[in-house]
Amino acid sequence: QVQLQESGPGLVKPSQTLSLTCTVSGGSISSGRYYWSWIRQPAGKGLEWIGRIYTSGSTNYNPSLKSRVTISVDTSKNQFSLNLSSVTAADTAVYFCARETGFHSQQWFDPWGQGTLVTVSS
Amino acid sequence: DIQMTQSPSSLSASVGDRVTITCRASQSISSYLNWYQQKPGKAPKLLIYAASSLQSEVPSRFSGSGSGTDFTLTINSLQPEDFATYYCQQSYNTPPYTFGQGTKLEIK
Repeated sequence: QVQLQESGPGLVKPSQTLSLTCTVSGGSISSGRYYWSWIRQPAGKGLEWIGRIYTSGSTNYNPSLKSRVTISVDTSKNQFSLNLSSVTAADTAVYFCARETGFHSQQWFDPWGQGTLVTVSS
Repeated sequence: DIQMTQSPSSLSASVGDRVTITCRASQSISSYLNWYQQKPGKAPKLLIYAASSLQSEVPSRFSGSGSGTDFTLTINSLQPEDFATYYCQQSYNTPPYTFGQGTKLEIK
């Protein structure tokens, strides 16, 4: 079955850009009608949807982060990536990647990656 | 954005109990509501999609109901492995998708 794995630096300095990659295994990122999302969770807090990308490259972002977020896809590597610029301590969180699936306009997240902790600190 | 409010925020129960968690949307979302279970240090796991459809391999003691603005997740005969945090999530219309703040289910 499809599995997702996040990777990237665990420590980012304030004002710099957070960059993470999600590698999809067990299936092609291009197959099927799926969106691929990033979601984050600060320690002890709830989940925040960051944005998503379709394999065509079409994206949607959370308006609260839109000015700082870029999500891209590399179908040749079966990966999609997140860039979050001008980070502050408030961006410290566990970052998850997830596949958005569904039917008849119903959508849900399944599966998820295991998550990766990114700390913003000097 | 559509706001999702869960109640209670935390809940204590015993093995074998039946528990109900409520999720309310700030506007009607039809049946565009999903439920997830999250254990410490793990990713959320999909339990229920489209308000009432049980995800494959999820035990039948989990059930979901509701439409419009009010939804419930019910767990019958709680098992030790069910103690976790539960989140609702709306997928109505176009993003941004939003989650409830979570309900932590603890052992009494």
